[in-house]
Amino acid sequence: KNEVEQSPQNLTAQEGEFITINCSYSVGISALHWLQQHPGGGIVSLFMLSSGKKKHGRLIATINIQEKHSSLHITASHPRDSAVYICATENTGNQFYFGTGTSLTVIP
Amino acid sequence: KAGVTQTPRYLIKTRGQQVTLSCSPISGHRSVSWYQQTPGQGLQFLFEYFSETQRNKGNFPGRFSGRQFSNSRSEMNVSTLELGDSALYLCASSLAWDYGYTFGSGTRLTVV
Repeated sequence: KNEVEQSPQNLTAQEGEFITINCSYSVGISALHWLQQHPGGGIVSLFMLSSGKKKHGRLIATINIQEKHSSLHITASHPRDSAVYICATENTGNQFYFGTGTSLTVIP
Repeated sequence: KAGVTQTPRYLIKTRGQQVTLSCSPISGHRSVSWYQQTPGQGLQFLFEYFSETQRNKGNFPGRFSGRQFSNSRSEMNVSTLELGDSALYLCASSLAWDYGYTFGSGTRLTVV
């Protein structure tokens, strides 16, 4: 079983701030996913990473396979970024393990 | 293009009953996976199907089962419902493992 830990659990930021959410895992993986869940349940897959770094607009995700660590960065945060961000690991057997999520609130 | 469609959106069942949930993946996607989300346990992986075969299963009792049809639509069945089965059940589809996943809006099951 992969232990997936996220930090922080809760985060409040002012609009425009740079935000970092961290994810650490305990065993080797084939991929790591960052998910965004808005109130009401809808989940959006933001990134799928197996190495390096990916960028979509104001979102950047990085992964360090050796250190078993990934970060999700949001530049120039906006109130619409308020959501729960979930880190999930996927192993070669297509099994997923999820972090408990980081609840982000961006204040105007 | 149409997203991942889950039906029904909401469901109320009584203890002991069984329930079947449906997931229609994005056209062309052959992988469908199911997840349970509860306030206490968070998101947990149930199982994943690819081309009608279950490729992997999470740590859930045998009351939870699923299947996938030749058109890639998938169903999840829970028998002998317990109060603790109340949850949001999500499915996600993927073209292949390295293409990422698209999630449906979920089915919120309440067991009373």
